Amino acid sequence: GEDVEQSLFLSVREGDSSVINCTYTDSSSTYLYWYKQEPGAGLQLLTYIFSNMDMKQDQRLTVLLNKKDKHLSLRIADTQTGDSAIYFCAEAGRRALTFGSGTRLQVQP
Amino acid sequence: DAGVIQSPRHEVTEMGQEVTLRCKPISGHDYLFWYRQTMMRGLELLIYFNNNVPIDDSGMPEDRFSAKMPNASFSTLKIQPSEPRDSAVYFCASSLGSSYNEQFFGPGTRLTVL
Repeated sequence: GEDVEQSLFLSVREGDSSVINCTYTDSSSTYLYWYKQEPGAGLQLLTYIFSNMDMKQDQRLTVLLNKKDKHLSLRIADTQTGDSAIYFCAEAGRRALTFGSGTRLQVQP
Repeated sequence: DAGVIQSPRHEVTEMGQEVTLRCKPISGHDYLFWYRQTMMRGLELLIYFNNNVPIDDSGMPEDRFSAKMPNASFSTLKIQPSEPRDSAVYFCASSLGSSYNEQFFGPGTRLTVL
């Protein structure tokens, strides 16, 4: 079935790196996405990776994809208080994008 | 360019009342999605449209929920009668070209049913 799983909570100190993990189920997904939801707002696309890539870097963000294990991770370097938010991974499911439950990132000063 | 617009932003109503949530997608987008977000169940896809036609409504909780898209620039999600367990944040999103492409989300409507 469709199940995108994420841990619910991550707490880091400002300046540290954050790593948010996700496992997905559909090996045929062409794209995998990371969305960010700030308090009181809708989800906003943060980055994405094509399924034929292993890694994608975009400034402070690094996405790693392990297709064999169906594992996706998002690394945020030099985490800032403004990075505090909920992060969702998403894959192309049966119906449309299937979102994980979201990981709440708390950045402590 | 305006993003996805939802109204109202907040709605408080009493059990049994009819609630109508509204959405205006990004101009030119041909897919529109309605989601519900709660602490317990996370983000749930309720229904999505392609070119104003409902494609998949299997996520609609029950007959009390209905959604329409009379034209390319407007959609409604109606709950009648509303119940306290319907309290949630309802998001509308739109995308271009595919249900698997990047979705642009509105700010959401926070619904509280007393």
